Amino acid sequence: GAVVSQHPSRVICKSGTSVKIECRSLDFQATTMFWYRQFPKQSLMLMATSNEGSKATYEQGVEKDKFLINHASLTLSTLTVTSAHPEDSSFYICSARDTRTEVEGYTFGSGTRLTVV
Amino acid sequence: DAKTTQPPSMDCAEGRAANLPCNHSTISGNEYVYWYRQIHSQGPQYIIHGLKNNETNEMASLIITEDRKSSTLILPHATLRDTAVYYCIVRVAAGRRALTFGSGTRLQVQP
Repeated sequence: GAVVSQHPSRVICKSGTSVKIECRSLDFQATTMFWYRQFPKQSLMLMATSNEGSKATYEQGVEKDKFLINHASLTLSTLTVTSAHPEDSSFYICSARDTRTEVEGYTFGSGTRLTVV
Repeated sequence: DAKTTQPPSMDCAEGRAANLPCNHSTISGNEYVYWYRQIHSQGPQYIIHGLKNNETNEMASLIITEDRKSSTLILPHATLRDTAVYYCIVRVAAGRRALTFGSGTRLQVQP
């Protein structure tokens, strides 16, 4: 089945620094990838839709200049949290859709636990 | 996407069947019922999906009522590793939009 690899699995960074999270589709091409954020005891909240070769689409309330998304190839999307603050500490999850399958196809990465100190 | 309603939490004894309900009374004719689960600190995992007929795979069974307004996910022999949050999602099959997650049901399998 489709596999999405997400790295790193956890990262600790200092306030004011930037962190890059990678999301790769290993055995399929993904023209679209999705980035979610999840706070403790809450559900996944969609942050943005990443489109290969074009600008990402951000959900309302998500700062595009703070959460930079790059989808330069059909197998790689990156999320960079710029000038991180403690309130950015969260669980970030990426997802990609394997369009080879008509009905199924949403595969998720294992998530990145970001802690900003 | 049609709205879904799930109980916030359920308990199940290890080895017994876990039956997780989902209401989706506003489901449209072309919308599928998907089930995903999220084990603590992991990404969501696809379990099963269906349109009208009951479905079964190696992980679970999905029972959809004849009017399609509700469904039940059945884990036939729950294990401790099935402890997770289970999400019922209703949406059309095709399309490029992301999945939208509700609050799900937190299933605790007890030893």
